[in-house]
Amino acid sequence: AQSVAQPEDQVNVAEGNPLTVKCTYSVSGNPYLFWYVQYPNRGLQFLLKYITGDNLVKGSYGFEAEFNKSQTSFHLKKPSALVSDSALYFCAVRVTPEGKLIFGQGTELSVKP
Amino acid sequence: SQTIHQWPATLVQPVGSPLSLECTVEGTSNPNLYWYRQAAGRGLQLLFYSVGIGQISSEVPQNLSASRPQDRQFILSSKKLLLSDSGFYLCAWTYGTRVGAFFGQGTRLTVV
Repeated sequence: AQSVAQPEDQVNVAEGNPLTVKCTYSVSGNPYLFWYVQYPNRGLQFLLKYITGDNLVKGSYGFEAEFNKSQTSFHLKKPSALVSDSALYFCAVRVTPEGKLIFGQGTELSVKP
Repeated sequence: SQTIHQWPATLVQPVGSPLSLECTVEGTSNPNLYWYRQAAGRGLQLLFYSVGIGQISSEVPQNLSASRPQDRQFILSSKKLLLSDSGFYLCAWTYGTRVGAFFGQGTRLTVV
């Protein structure tokens, strides 16, 4: 079965430090991978995607993600965390041919000043 | 530009009452449409998705149903709500397979 996993329920980072939120996937064929962010009681906002090409993908708000095919991972990163980055982050994989989007369980990021 | 509307934002319903949540998309045609439920503020469970009018795929057998009466309209329904139907319901749309989904603002449903 095609799936995506986020092994950490919570990540705590000090403001100004780099952050990493982990994601691994299991798909047949080429993976279409996405990261989303959710603030309390709001819908999800798209951050970035990997379809093909460069393994390092840049997205919104200074976030980037590194695609690693051999490790089947798609970790979200940011060089310097902000308090305002505190939110719930979701990794997702697009399942073909239906096109449905499957989400991980989410990782709560907490950035302390 | 494309927008997605989902309403109401919050809803409190008694057990056994019916439910109808509506989602509409503007600025695009023939989108793929999705209903997700988020329980306890964490994981997203895909409930239904639709690739066209009248075409509904159900992911999880449950007390809910979905319909797509028009190209850009997606409705989530229940004849009799259960306490376990409480949660945050999100509608989303996308097109093609190389694009992510765009989400509505969600409906917080509390069944009492």
